[in-house]
Formats: sequence, structure tokens, C-alpha cells
Amino acid sequence: GENVEQHPSTLSVQEGDSAVIKCTYSDSASNYFPWYKQELGKRPQLIIDIRSNVGEKKDQRIAVTLNKTAKHFSLHITETQPEDSAVYFCAASIGPWGSQGNLIFGKGTKLSVKP
Amino acid sequence: DSGVTQTPKHLITATGQRVTLRCSPRSGDLSVYWYQQSLDQGLQFLIQYYNGEERAKGNILERFSAQQFPDLHSELNLSSLELGDSALYFCASSTLRETDTQYFGPGTRLTVL
Repeated sequence: GENVEQHPSTLSVQEGDSAVIKCTYSDSASNYFPWYKQELGKRPQLIIDIRSNVGEKKDQRIAVTLNKTAKHFSLHITETQPEDSAVYFCAASIGPWGSQGNLIFGKGTKLSVKP
Repeated sequence: DSGVTQTPKHLITATGQRVTLRCSPRSGDLSVYWYQQSLDQGLQFLIQYYNGEERAKGNILERFSAQQFPDLHSELNLSSLELGDSALYFCASSTLRETDTQYFGPGTRLTVL
């Protein structure tokens, strides 16, 4: 089945710097790649997602890139702020669009942004 | 607020007991997913229902079962509870008509003593 590897497990940056989190997936049939942000004890919140027919997507300070050939995708956060501190999860979904969408998650990256 | 609701927020019970967790999806969403999050295992997909029918199964134990009712709310039943079942249980929903985007509920924290 699908397996998603996420690196690094922890990441500490200074406020204003950029942060990059990388994920690789094993199943070339995966076609949907969301990123979730989770604060301690709270629900995962979708921050950005990308589909396999797109190479890059940007939303203000957040961007995601996808390399289907290498089977990896990355989250880029620019101009980090202390409120960006959280655990970030990448995920991959297999299955025909509109049919099945269960997500396989990476193990998470704990991002700390120091003021 | 994602629009997905889960009850109860917290549940404390003893080993060997049985509990039921409840989830109401966002208005219009037909698909419900259950995930388990424990400290050392991250977010694990358990089971998916779509319009009342089981659609996909993940790492769900035989002691666990779920169902989705005609009004689309879902229940996750956990029986013969063990200490290792202590975790956050999240429900998520999606439309599966135009997008696979899943929105998570606030979770139920289960503590087995």
C-alpha cells in the first residue's frame, strides 16, 4: 500500500526565515496531496493542497511543489511568523477522483518559529 | 470551525469497556472518514463511509466497527478497550463529488485506564 515519508521531524527557524518540509510517497497512483497544520490538542486544518496534474500552487506565504517523476512534494513557508509554529502533516490520497479519498499521512514535522 | 462536529470531546473509561464516538459531517458532505491519532503512530486512517456504505478500510482493529446512518452522521464503536486504544479520534468529511478535500472535526480524546 501507499507509504508517505516526511522530513524533517523537527524544524526550528528564526522569524522571517523560510521553512521547507519534504515528503515522498511510494505509490505512483497517488493523485492528491494535501498539507495540514495541527496545533497542540486541536484538529488538523487544511492549509494547501495540490493535485497530480499541477506542479506548483501558491497561497500567500505558503507554496507546495510536486515532482511526480521523483514522487515527492514539498511545503514552503516564507517570512515565517511565531503563529506558524505547529505540527505540519503531509498526506497522499489514492483512488479515482470522486470515488475514494482516504489519506495516508506522513508522521509530521514540528515547526518552531523563534521570535 | 470546519462544520464537522464530534461528540463527546473527552471520554475516560476502563479497560474492557465499550464506547461509541459520534460524528456529524459538514452539510452536504456524503463521505465520512475516521482517523486515530496516538503519540507514536501519527494519524492513522481507520475507515471510510460514503452515503451509508463502507467504501474503504485502513488499519482498523476487529474490536472496532463503524456505521453511517441515513442522516449521514457516523458512529465509531470501540469495544474490549485496551490501554493502547487511548488516543485522539478524528472524523473528517468530504463531498467526493468535486474534490477530495477533507475537513476534520475537533476530535474525541479517549483515555482508557
